Amino acid sequence: AAGVIQSPRHLIKEKRETATLKCYPIPRHDTVYWYQQGPGQDPQFLISFYEKMQSDKGSIPDRFSAQQFSDYHSELNMSSLELGDSALYFCASSWATGELFFGEGSRLTVL
Amino acid sequence: DQQVKQNSPSLSVQEGRISILNCDYTNSMFDYFLWYKKYPAEGPTFLISISSIKDKNEDGRFTVFLNKSAKHLSLHIVPSQPGDSAVYFCAARAGGTSYGKLTFGQGTILTVHP
Repeated sequence: AAGVIQSPRHLIKEKRETATLKCYPIPRHDTVYWYQQGPGQDPQFLISFYEKMQSDKGSIPDRFSAQQFSDYHSELNMSSLELGDSALYFCASSWATGELFFGEGSRLTVL
Repeated sequence: DQQVKQNSPSLSVQEGRISILNCDYTNSMFDYFLWYKKYPAEGPTFLISISSIKDKNEDGRFTVFLNKSAKHLSLHIVPSQPGDSAVYFCAARAGGTSYGKLTFGQGTILTVHP
């Protein structure tokens, strides 16, 4: 069965650069969620989209933005990267109020 | 402010025995609780959940118990198998929030020895 696809799986950037992470939800899933998991920390909810509209917002920095496109894939844009942005970024998708299915994550390293 | 706490960073169990993973929470608005399992280099995988109107939910070898008065839940795995070795996250959701807006605990590394 198709799963949540995240790309790239690994990304290395310098401080103050910009990074874009992509998430392709499971087909027919209408909701996408982004989580950030820092080293040794628990996953923190960033933002979610339902039917291409932002549905909820968590601890997402102002330097970050995200959107969901007409094909339901989502992109997380991170600008003015800081060392503390180094983390594993998970995307999850669900259909309506169904359970979340997580992708394998995109590991961002900021040097 | 850690609203969901898993106070045991790790747990080691013999194959065939019971594994008990614990989770405490502080937010009274949480009304739905979930357990996720995570292998290295993979995303969290949903295991089992429980609504605050119940005190027990069972699915095969996995049982989750909820004690609302103590704000405590636990995951029991019986019998434990080596393939259960992974990081287990407890997560909670507050009523009225986005369905997928979960608050996670720090995780417990379970190792099941053959």
